[in-house]
Amino acid sequence: GENVEQHPSTLSVQEGDSAVIKCTYSDSASNYFPWYKQELGKRPQLIIDIRSNVGEKKDQRIAVTLNKTAKHFSLHITETQPEDSAVYFCAASRESGGSYIPTFGRGTSLIVHP
Amino acid sequence: NAGVMQNPRHLVRRRGQEARLRCSPMKGHSHVYWYRQLPEEGLKFMVYLQKENIIDESGMPKERFSAEFPKEGPSILRIQQVVRGDSAAYFCASSPSGKTYEQYFGPGTRLTVT
Repeated sequence: GENVEQHPSTLSVQEGDSAVIKCTYSDSASNYFPWYKQELGKRPQLIIDIRSNVGEKKDQRIAVTLNKTAKHFSLHITETQPEDSAVYFCAASRESGGSYIPTFGRGTSLIVHP
Repeated sequence: NAGVMQNPRHLVRRRGQEARLRCSPMKGHSHVYWYRQLPEEGLKFMVYLQKENIIDESGMPKERFSAEFPKEGPSILRIQQVVRGDSAAYFCASSPSGKTYEQYFGPGTRLTVT
């Protein structure tokens, strides 16, 4: 089955700095890569996603890159703010029965110091 | 438009009892997914259902766990004869037919087995 590795497990930055989280996956059949943000005690929320036919996608301060040949993808957050502090999960998704089933990484705890 | 609803939010069960977790998808969503999140770990896919059908149960433990999504009413995740290792947060998500890759998560049910 799919295996997703996510690094680092903890990331501490100063407000205004950039943050980068990296993930690798093993199954070449995975073709959809969402990123979720989960604040303490809250539900995971989709923040950005990328499909395997796209190399990069940007949404304001957040960007994702995908290298399908190397099987890795990354989340980039620029100009970090304290409210960006949360746990971020990457996922590699395979198609199943008309939908997409994700395998999640173990998460990165991002701490943004004011 | 209410989001994904889950109840109860917190559930305490003694070893050997049964746990029933309920999930009402967003209005218009016909795809439901269940995930388990152990402390300080990522989300693990359990099962994907459409109305009256289990589509993918590749993540479900072979014993004691079952799920259903009846024609009427919420989806139910049932855990029989709970053990301490079942203590976790259980999240469900739903997606619309036209955009099955967009999964919206509920607030989760935190199950504690004493």
